[in-house]
Amino acid sequence: NAGVTQTPKFRILKIGQSMTLQCTQDMNHNYMYWYRQDPGMGLKLIYYSVGAGITDKGEVPNGYNVSRSTTEDFPLRLELAAPSQTSVYFCASSYAPRTGQVGEQFFGPGTRLTVL
Amino acid sequence: AQSVSQHNHHVILSEAASLELGCNYSYGGTVNLFWYVQYPGQHLQLLLKYFSGDPLVKGIKGFEAEFIKSKFSFNLRKPSVQWSDTAEYFCAVNPQYSGAGSYQLTFGKGTKLSVIP
Repeated sequence: NAGVTQTPKFRILKIGQSMTLQCTQDMNHNYMYWYRQDPGMGLKLIYYSVGAGITDKGEVPNGYNVSRSTTEDFPLRLELAAPSQTSVYFCASSYAPRTGQVGEQFFGPGTRLTVL
Repeated sequence: AQSVSQHNHHVILSEAASLELGCNYSYGGTVNLFWYVQYPGQHLQLLLKYFSGDPLVKGIKGFEAEFIKSKFSFNLRKPSVQWSDTAEYFCAVNPQYSGAGSYQLTFGKGTKLSVIP
C-alpha cells in the first residue's frame, strides 16, 4: 500500500514550457486535491475532484488544468509556465465519512518546481 | 469565504516547555477541524481531528486540541515538547454547509515550532 505517490520529485522549467505533475493513490479514495505551498503562505487549493470525471476549481486555479479519468489518478497540467508557479506542489486524497464531509487527507511527498 | 487564522508565525521553546498554538476560524456553522504537522522536508501528516462529541481530542505523539465553539477556536496543546517536535503545524477547517457539505479544507498559514535542546 503506497498511499499517495507523486512524480517527479523535482523539476526545473523554463518560462513558457509545459509539464504534467503525476499523482496516484491506491486507497480507493473518491476525493483528490492539488495544493501549492509557498513559504509563510500555508497551502492553497488549486483544483479538486470528488470522483472520476468530476473536477472543480479551488482558490488558485489560473495557469493550471486537471483531469480525472480514473479513481486512482489526478494529474496536474501546467501550461506556459511562469516564475509565479515556482512552488512545492502537493497532491492529497481523502475518503468521505459522510456525503459532503471530508475525512483525513493523505498527502503525497510533493514536487518541487522551479520556473526560470 | 472562510478563513483560518494561526496567530503565531514562529514559536521557539526549550525542551520540556508546554506548548499552545492558536487557531481561529471564521465560519459560524458546523465544522470539522484538523491539525496537521509537517516535519522538515516532509509532507503533511494528520495529528488529530475533531468531527463531533468530546471537544477535547487527543492525537498522536501526546498532542491534544480543544474545540471551543463560542470562541471559534481549536487550539493545539502539548504539555512537554521534545526536540523532535520541531516542525510546522497547520490548522484546517472543513465547513459543513446546511443541506450539503463542503469538499474542501481551508488551511491556516502555519506556525513554525522550533524546540531547543
